[in-house]
Amino acid sequence: GESVGLHLPTLSVQEGDNSIINCAYSNSASDYFIWYKQESGKGPQFIIDIRSNMDKRQGQRVTVLLNKTVKHLSLQIAATQPGDSAVYFCAENIYNQGGKLIFGQGTELSVKP
Amino acid sequence: DTGVSQNPRHKITKRGQNVTFRCDPISEHNRLYWYRQTLGQGPEFLTYFQNEAQLEKSRLLSDRFSAERPKGSFSTLEIQRTEQGDSAMYLCASSPKVRLGNEQYFGPGTRLTVT
Repeated sequence: GESVGLHLPTLSVQEGDNSIINCAYSNSASDYFIWYKQESGKGPQFIIDIRSNMDKRQGQRVTVLLNKTVKHLSLQIAATQPGDSAVYFCAENIYNQGGKLIFGQGTELSVKP
Repeated sequence: DTGVSQNPRHKITKRGQNVTFRCDPISEHNRLYWYRQTLGQGPEFLTYFQNEAQLEKSRLLSDRFSAERPKGSFSTLEIQRTEQGDSAMYLCASSPKVRLGNEQYFGPGTRLTVT
């Protein structure tokens, strides 16, 4: 879909709280999803991925939830730390239709100490 | 560090000049991707290679853009007759043979400024 303008959605949390970042994806045929973290001036950093045959996957301090019915993805970060401050992007892929990732609008996470 | 590397990290050029960027993927990753990212936006797909074969190109990749991966290892992205609208971060990513899915690991990017 069309990209939104320069003003990213922002989530501000207190250090130690849990964060939930949401993403609506565009294509019901997408079957693979990735969350990336991007700090200023750096490339996106792989956080966690999930296939469409799963509805939940856990990593270290992070959990991804997938709701295919409403085409919604969320990233939960437990015990948020100042180092988690960054822009977070979800990306979708249709595994059998080539390699490209389609990125959603990012969310800027700001962690207050 | 065995991550994806990109050179140069920054490039300032005058409109009309040609520029070339290099990407070295993670060793043994057979897929390599190029994306472009402008301020406040997510990365947009440009093209990708499986080994030395270029398998897909976005409509964003005008005829002024060309990418190569001659030996299936590093890749170059060339932009001819640069325009101010080409100013962006150019990101390279690589992925291994499929595991869970098409996971991609990004390099630090090359920031291009066209004056």
